[in-house]
Amino acid sequence: DIQMTQSPSSVSASVGDRVTITCRASQGISSWLAWYQQKPRKAPKLLIYAASSLQSGVPSRFSGSGSGTDFTLTISSLQPEDFATYYCQQANSFPSTFGQGTRLEIK
Amino acid sequence: EVQLVESEGGLVQPGGSLRLSCAASGFTFSNYAMSWVRQAPGKGLEWVSTISGSGGNTYYADSVKGRFTISRDNSKNTLYLQMNSLRAEDTAVYYCARPNYVDYTLYFAYWGQGTLVTVSS
Repeated sequence: DIQMTQSPSSVSASVGDRVTITCRASQGISSWLAWYQQKPRKAPKLLIYAASSLQSGVPSRFSGSGSGTDFTLTISSLQPEDFATYYCQQANSFPSTFGQGTRLEIK
Repeated sequence: EVQLVESEGGLVQPGGSLRLSCAASGFTFSNYAMSWVRQAPGKGLEWVSTISGSGGNTYYADSVKGRFTISRDNSKNTLYLQMNSLRAEDTAVYYCARPNYVDYTLYFAYWGQGTLVTVSS
């Protein structure tokens, strides 16, 4: 199985900050990667698919990059509604696997 | 509007069984692979199972293989997850999920509201 490792596990930031979260796959997955945002007691929300494609309706301050084994999610200017937990997911092969999550907290 | 509505979960004893359903609307159900994803209390997301649009292909996480069965009834626009031999570690919120596009099986753009399954004596 492909292991997905996110870093950091948690990060504190302020409104307006630029934040980057990284995700590393244990083997190459080309661009088969998604990023999700999850708020407490809510279903996850797809932000980015195919490593860098912005899902419809997602603000442009979210962007994704990378291919192979190393990927990043960047939020260019944090907004109050962005404080949440973020997960990466590999969609290259079954079993699909998620990273352990990165909790983005208000500083 | 795409809607996915899961049935109620519940409390089940270890070794017991439960069937979840997910009623879909707002799209051509048979065109899309469908999946179940779960989240244990306070934990991360875990992919559980996927079924192709026709139902002819199914995939499972090792943690549930041989115990859970995914199925679908395209005439009823409904997805199912039959869970047998339940264990305490199956306690989680279970979500059904649909990909954003037909060609992408595992990019989950649409999610149900989630249903809590608790396995405990």
